[in-house]
Formats: sequence, C-alpha cells, structure tokens
Amino acid sequence: TQLLEQSPQFLSIQEGENLTVYCNSSSVFSSLQWYRQEPGEGPVLLVTVVTGGEVKKLKRLTFQFGDARKDSSLHITAAQPGDTGLYLCAGSSNTGKLIFGQGTTLQVKP
Amino acid sequence: KAGVTQTPRYLIKTRGQQVTLSCSPISGHRSVSWYQQTPGQGLQFLFEYFSETQRNKGNFPGRFSGRQFSNSRSEMNVSTLELGDSALYLCASKGGSSYNEQFFGPGTRLTVL
Repeated sequence: TQLLEQSPQFLSIQEGENLTVYCNSSSVFSSLQWYRQEPGEGPVLLVTVVTGGEVKKLKRLTFQFGDARKDSSLHITAAQPGDTGLYLCAGSSNTGKLIFGQGTTLQVKP
Repeated sequence: KAGVTQTPRYLIKTRGQQVTLSCSPISGHRSVSWYQQTPGQGLQFLFEYFSETQRNKGNFPGRFSGRQFSNSRSEMNVSTLELGDSALYLCASKGGSSYNEQFFGPGTRLTVL
C-alpha cells in the first residue's frame, strides 16, 4: 500500500515568517501534486511535479520533488494571512489512484 | 470554463436513510472521482468513473455506490446511513492530462444524526 506522510500536521506562525512542509513516502510516484483547501471548499491544485529533482515556483511558494520521486517539500517565504489553509500533497499511484497525505493545517497570524 | 459543481452543498439525514449526491464535471472531462473527507481520516478515495464505467474503487463498504451518465455527470449513493458517514464528500474531474491532475468541486457536507 502506498502511503504519503505529511509533516508537520499543524503549523501556526506569524506573518512574515518562512516555513516548509514535507511529504514523504517509501514508494515512488510518477507525479506529485500539491493542493490548498480552505474551510468549506474543495482542494485547489497549486502545482504538479513530475521529474526527480524538479523545482517549481509559484510567487512565494517553492515546490521540490525529491531525486528519487519519493518525497516532496513546499516552502513558503514571508507567509501572509492569505496563505492560511490546509495544504495537501497527493501522489499518483501505480494503480492510477491519487494518494493523499493527511494534510498540513497552516495558520498565519497577522 | 465552469468548474466542477456539486449539489446539494449541505445535507442532514438520519441513521438508516439513504442519500444521493450529484456532481457535474468540467466540460470535456470524462473522469469523475469521489472522495470522503473527515478530520480523522483525511481524504479517502471512494471510486472513479470514466465513460460510464467504474475504473477504480477504494476500500469502502457496498453501501457506497456510484454511477456516471453519458454526459459525464455522476451521482454517488449511500444507503443505510451511519453516524460515521458524516463527512465532506468531494467530487473531482480529470481531463486528458497524463499527470492525474484533478479539479475538485466545493463538496457536499453530509451530517447524519
């Protein structure tokens, strides 16, 4: 069974701080996605990483896929209150299913 | 393009009843997946439909079923509701991307009393 473990589960920081969220597995994924979900809404796709070692940037968010395609990280620089939400990583399994991590709840206080 | 829509947004039922949830995918998307989201278990995959056929299935009891129509709209049914079925049910559609990128609807919040 392919599993994705996210850490930390909860993060509460002050506006302007940097943070990193990790997504780890013992399995290889063909691609990995990051989503952000706000209360009462569905997850919104932020980025897809495909190649081992790939780095993608989305404004203040930097996403990295591990060389072996088993792990990924999301780094936010100078977090803002608008970054508050649930961050989910999801990997494409060998059965075609999307496997989700448990999520990281981020709260950015002004 | 309009996004994924789900109806109803909120639903309250009692134990033993059944419920049907509806999902309309993004125009042109032929794959629809359903997920259950709870605080304790996170996002759990229920099933995926593609061209009216169930293509993948998660580890849920037979009380959870679904179907897809020729216009790609999908419905999910839960029979004999239990308290533990209270959750946010999310529908996601997928287009032709080879990277399994899914686009989610806002969800249906089901409360079982």
